Amino acid sequence: GQQVMQIPQYQHVQEGEDFTTYCNSSTTLSNIQWYKQRPGGHPVFLIQLVKSGEVKKQKRLTFQFGEAKKNSSLHITATQTTDVGTYFCAGIPSGTYKYIFGTGTRLKVLA
Amino acid sequence: DSGVTQTPKHLITATGQRVTLRCSPRSGDLSVYWYQQSLDQGLQFLIQYYNGEERAKGNILERFSAQQFPDLHSELNLSSLELGDSALYFCASSVEGSPGELFFGEGSRLTVL
Repeated sequence: GQQVMQIPQYQHVQEGEDFTTYCNSSTTLSNIQWYKQRPGGHPVFLIQLVKSGEVKKQKRLTFQFGEAKKNSSLHITATQTTDVGTYFCAGIPSGTYKYIFGTGTRLKVLA
Repeated sequence: DSGVTQTPKHLITATGQRVTLRCSPRSGDLSVYWYQQSLDQGLQFLIQYYNGEERAKGNILERFSAQQFPDLHSELNLSSLELGDSALYFCASSVEGSPGELFFGEGSRLTVL
């Protein structure tokens, strides 16, 4: 079946360090989205990438969509304690309407 | 506040029982999605409805069923409950079928004892 894997599963960083999570799909995606879920909360949309090789930035966050549209990454520069949470990618396999969520990366930031 | 309302917020029931979870999407959103999140796990896609019709189905058990009503609210029915069904069930809505931002509700936490 269609799977979207994320690595790492967990990441602990010192405040101020950078953080990257990687998302890999077993099938080509029509687009990919990223969500953040704070502890005890619900997923909140961050961004959507549609084009092959697309790069988008939101302040300290940089998102990339791979050339083959099967992988993506989220990079956070100079993490802050407010970045704590689980980051999920969600891909829509080409030809479907399903949003398949990745396994998530739980980020802890140590002050 | 995402504008998506889920009820109940918490539900405790026994094995073998049946429960119904309700979701009201954001005003104007035609699509409703249901996801299951077990403890510290990812989001498992269950099913999607668009304007009253089933559009996509994920790993939804035969004991589970859902529907979207003419007023666009949706219900997820879980029957013959098992301990393993204990999870957080999220509803999300979007304006169109896809692609588009998903707006998630606060979730319904189901505990099966």
